[in-house]
Amino acid sequence: SAVISQKPSRDICQRGTSLTIQCQVDSQVTMMFWYRQQPGQSLTLIATANQGSEATYESGFVIDKFPISRPNLTFSTLTVSNMSPEDSSIYLCSVEGGEGVDTQYFGPGTRLTVL
Amino acid sequence: GQQLNQSPQSMFIQEGEDVSMNCTSSSIFNTWLWYKQDPGEGPVLLIALYKAGELTSNGRLTAQFGITRKDSFLNISASIPSDVGIYFCAPQAAGNKLTFGGGTRVLVKP
Repeated sequence: SAVISQKPSRDICQRGTSLTIQCQVDSQVTMMFWYRQQPGQSLTLIATANQGSEATYESGFVIDKFPISRPNLTFSTLTVSNMSPEDSSIYLCSVEGGEGVDTQYFGPGTRLTVL
Repeated sequence: GQQLNQSPQSMFIQEGEDVSMNCTSSSIFNTWLWYKQDPGEGPVLLIALYKAGELTSNGRLTAQFGITRKDSFLNISASIPSDVGIYFCAPQAAGNKLTFGGGTRVLVKP
């Protein structure tokens, strides 16, 4: 399975500011995903990060709020823009399991608290 | 829209007990994944199921993909303290998109 790291692991931010979360994987992958996990809740898919094209967002998530970059096959960033306390969550990236393998592996997550 | 129900929401275990949880969906899926999440960490893949009716084991864990492709269960046999955590079912749809169940929180009996 892929080894995935995320930076920062946690942060405390002021409302109105933005935070960029990085996701690095140790092998080239076609598909990377970003999820949000609100306190005490399950995971919800934010978007699919595509290399060489714009991210594909799920219903309820927009590019202006959660811009995503995917400059190469091992790296992606998610920015949480103009933050409010409601954005306090764990943000997780995941990658596909590999060619022909329908699985996903998750990074350790970024715990964000917005004051 | 699609509905995914995971039960129970929480359960208490005593060391040595067998426990079971399940997920049912209003939609058909071709892949069903089970994850465990420990506090402060990302979900870890436990078992992947790819065929209707498939029964797969991973150590003390056993999971089955329902014959209708709308449900799955996960069993843990002879539970131990490190089984504590949150277990999620996550069926996979087209485009490799995962839908996560609400989770089953496994706790130790006081």
